[in-house]
Amino acid sequence: DTGVSQDPRHKITKRGQNVTFRCDPISEHNRLYWYRQTLGQGPEFLTYFQNEAQLEKSRLLSDRFSAERPKGSFSTLEIQRTEQGDSAMYLCASMEGGFAYNEQFFGPGTRLTVL
Amino acid sequence: AQSVTQLDSQVPVFEEAPVELRCNYSSSVSVYLFWYVQYPNQGLQLLLKYLSGSTLVKGINGFEAEFNKSQTSFHLRKPSVHISDTAEYFCAVSASNTGKLIFGQGTTLQVKP
Repeated sequence: DTGVSQDPRHKITKRGQNVTFRCDPISEHNRLYWYRQTLGQGPEFLTYFQNEAQLEKSRLLSDRFSAERPKGSFSTLEIQRTEQGDSAMYLCASMEGGFAYNEQFFGPGTRLTVL
Repeated sequence: AQSVTQLDSQVPVFEEAPVELRCNYSSSVSVYLFWYVQYPNQGLQLLLKYLSGSTLVKGINGFEAEFNKSQTSFHLRKPSVHISDTAEYFCAVSASNTGKLIFGQGTTLQVKP
């Protein structure tokens, strides 16, 4: 399978704990996006990378959130001191090239539940 | 700034009936428009996209959409739905060179036998 993969698929944690999610994009894709989707809503943009450079962060991304993409390959999204409001599906997508009309390929998502 | 409004949160329809899922967008600049589908426990999959040119766009699985600039709409249609079309459908726009997508709230298509 050469699609976008995310790990873990599900994560249950207690409030105040730190969590880290991983995304493996399609290998030749230089752009990688993170979105968050809450129940009954569409995905909301969080941040994106062009190769290893993080080029934009949404205001939704508080200072408890950090994302990296070392060497322009896989990416990690870390949430520190989780809060119940962080419960959501975290989606990763990758895209080839730098044109806004290119297709983004989405992974299956990581569902986070904060107790 | 761009925004997307999907006018129906749920659309129930019987199998083999036609369906239209409505999408309106707001933008002060030219946009690219997309429809994605999300099946249960799966990632979003692109159905179709509008870049420029012909306002009628054909996508996968028999879906099509019509871009209407004057009404700022991009409604999705299918002449005859199947049970397997039951899913969540998202309309999205991309306007900047970042490629980030702005999604609508989604429409749940429920196809009944």
